[in-house]
Amino acid sequence: GQQVMQIPQYQHVQEGEDFTTYCNSSTTLSNIQWYKQRPGGHPVFLIQLVKSGEVKKQKRLTFQFGEAKKNSSLHITATQTTDVGTYFCAVLDNYGQNFVFGPGTRLSVLP
Amino acid sequence: KAGVTQTPRYLIKTRGQQVTLSCSPISGHRSVSWYQQTPGQGLQFLFEYFSETQRNKGNFPGRFSGRQFSNSRSEMNVSTLELGDSALYLCASSFGTGVGQPQHFGDGTRLSIL
Repeated sequence: GQQVMQIPQYQHVQEGEDFTTYCNSSTTLSNIQWYKQRPGGHPVFLIQLVKSGEVKKQKRLTFQFGEAKKNSSLHITATQTTDVGTYFCAVLDNYGQNFVFGPGTRLSVLP
Repeated sequence: KAGVTQTPRYLIKTRGQQVTLSCSPISGHRSVSWYQQTPGQGLQFLFEYFSETQRNKGNFPGRFSGRQFSNSRSEMNVSTLELGDSALYLCASSFGTGVGQPQHFGDGTRLSIL
């Protein structure tokens, strides 16, 4: 079935540093969604990317969809302690029916 | 607008028992999906219901079942519980179904099997 990888698995940064997580698929994706889950919380939808090479920004967060639509990245500029959590990408399975979540990147921000 | 509500929040059961979890979606949302989240396997799709019909099912044994009512509320049942069923069970609702629908998750039910 559809598999998606995320790197890194963990990332520890000092507050104010930048952070990037990558989501990679072996197959071409129709779209990709990003979610954030805070410790003890539930996943919260952040954004969806659909077009090849698409770039979307939300304040300090920049999301990018690769030209080949096989990968995506989430970049956080000048991290804050409120950015702590696990960031998941989600893609549709091979049948275009259900979302398959990546394993996530856990971000820790040291004050 | 109220979010997705899952009950109960915590549950402790023993092996062999069965359990029913409940999910009330956001008002107006007709699609409800269930996920199992564990540290080892991450977020895994269980099934999706839309208009009282199961549209899709993940790769879980038949012990896991669900249903959806006419008001879009959904229940998930797990029979003959095993230790490996200990997990956070998350329900997510969306307005419709198909490509591009953001999913809104509830706080989950944390199930512990003794």
